[in-house]
Amino acid sequence: GEDVEQSLFLSVREGDSSVINCTYTDSSSTYLYWYKQEPGAGLQLLTYIFSNMDMKQDQRLTVLLNKKDKHLSLRIADTQTGDSAIYFCAEITSGSRLTFGEGTQLTVNP
Amino acid sequence: DGGITQSPKYLFRKEGQNVTLSCEQNLNHDAMYWYRQDPGQGLRLIYYSQIVNDFQKGDIAEGYSVSREKKESFPLTVTSAQKNPTAFYLCASSKQTENTEAFFGQGTRLTVV
Repeated sequence: GEDVEQSLFLSVREGDSSVINCTYTDSSSTYLYWYKQEPGAGLQLLTYIFSNMDMKQDQRLTVLLNKKDKHLSLRIADTQTGDSAIYFCAEITSGSRLTFGEGTQLTVNP
Repeated sequence: DGGITQSPKYLFRKEGQNVTLSCEQNLNHDAMYWYRQDPGQGLRLIYYSQIVNDFQKGDIAEGYSVSREKKESFPLTVTSAQKNPTAFYLCASSKQTENTEAFFGQGTRLTVV
């Protein structure tokens, strides 16, 4: 089964906050990542969090990490139509494997 | 400019033919990865390499082969043994440090007819 799990779809209205959730299984992961994918393109790193942190804020992005539950979330404040994309969480597991979730398709409606 | 380049962007092949996808990076990264992306299945790891002349199988290596003769290059061959090769293929590279950003190419969409 998947090591990293995400819900597949999220739809929000422009200006609302979006929260994308992720669960992971490797408790030894030291860094966890959020990537964004525009249609037909590769992935770009949005932000990351070190495993000894609970929260990281970067402009409109807030990452929350619950290490006990192995739960990671990405909150996007004041979501814009340009935020519509697929968002992937990822973890580095043993042997430098970079493992991704299934991706969450975020749709922002005007 | 430094970056990671995949070519071609679109590739069409007949069933039963082998095809090789190119991935080149000039970022001086040690680690390189190949992923396959299918709708609703996210990114699945095919092969990865942490150093020249060494590579490891990922989760779905069957029907694929790779080589890492140079640090800059990590080509992926999709063989005729791959049952369902039509997909979007993404190559990535990263430094071999604990906190490392992976840089992705723009992808190759392979269609087998």
